[in-house]
Amino acid sequence: GAVVSQHPSWVICKSGTSVKIECRSLDFQATTMFWYRQFPKQSLMLMATSNEGSKATYEQGVEKDKFLINHASLTLSTLTVTSAHPEDSSFYICSARVLLLEQFFGPGTRLTVL
Amino acid sequence: ELKVEQNPLFLSMQEGKNYTIYCNYSTTSDRLYWYRQDPGKSLESLFVLLSNGAVKQEGRLMASLDTKARLSTLHITAAVHDLSATYFCAVLLRAGGTSYGKLTFGQGTILTVHP
Repeated sequence: GAVVSQHPSWVICKSGTSVKIECRSLDFQATTMFWYRQFPKQSLMLMATSNEGSKATYEQGVEKDKFLINHASLTLSTLTVTSAHPEDSSFYICSARVLLLEQFFGPGTRLTVL
Repeated sequence: ELKVEQNPLFLSMQEGKNYTIYCNYSTTSDRLYWYRQDPGKSLESLFVLLSNGAVKQEGRLMASLDTKARLSTLHITAAVHDLSATYFCAVLLRAGGTSYGKLTFGQGTILTVHP
């Protein structure tokens, strides 16, 4: 079946550093990838939508310069949290989709900023 | 703007009992998803409902969709402890809307099944 991986699964970093999270579709080519953020006991909040080879579309209120998204190929998207601060600590989940078919979710990355 | 509301947000059930989680949405859509999330984990797809009147069942869970009422239900039959998790519904905005192709999630329902 369709598998989406994320790396790393968890990361702890110091305030002010940048962190890169990778999202890969392992057995299919994704036309679109999505990045979500989830705080404890809350729902998923869509941060941005990215299509291969084009700029990501960010949701209202999401800082583009803070959360850099690159969709370099049909199987890889990266989210870089720049100059991370404790308030950026969260669970980040990516998903991948082919056209308008079902979305497949990655296992998530837990980011803790000290 | 598409809004998706679930209720209840918290559900404590006894094993063996039945209950229903409701998912209302504000804008016409013809695709609705149900997901399960265990603590610390990502989402597991349960059901995709594609048309009015669609009903799908898997084990003790049954989902239905009424596009006219903009309502989906997730019915739990004879609950067991293993069903304890958070359940989300999500709606795909219909083509032509400004949010074409994006999922909007409900708040989630935290289900706890007690012996």
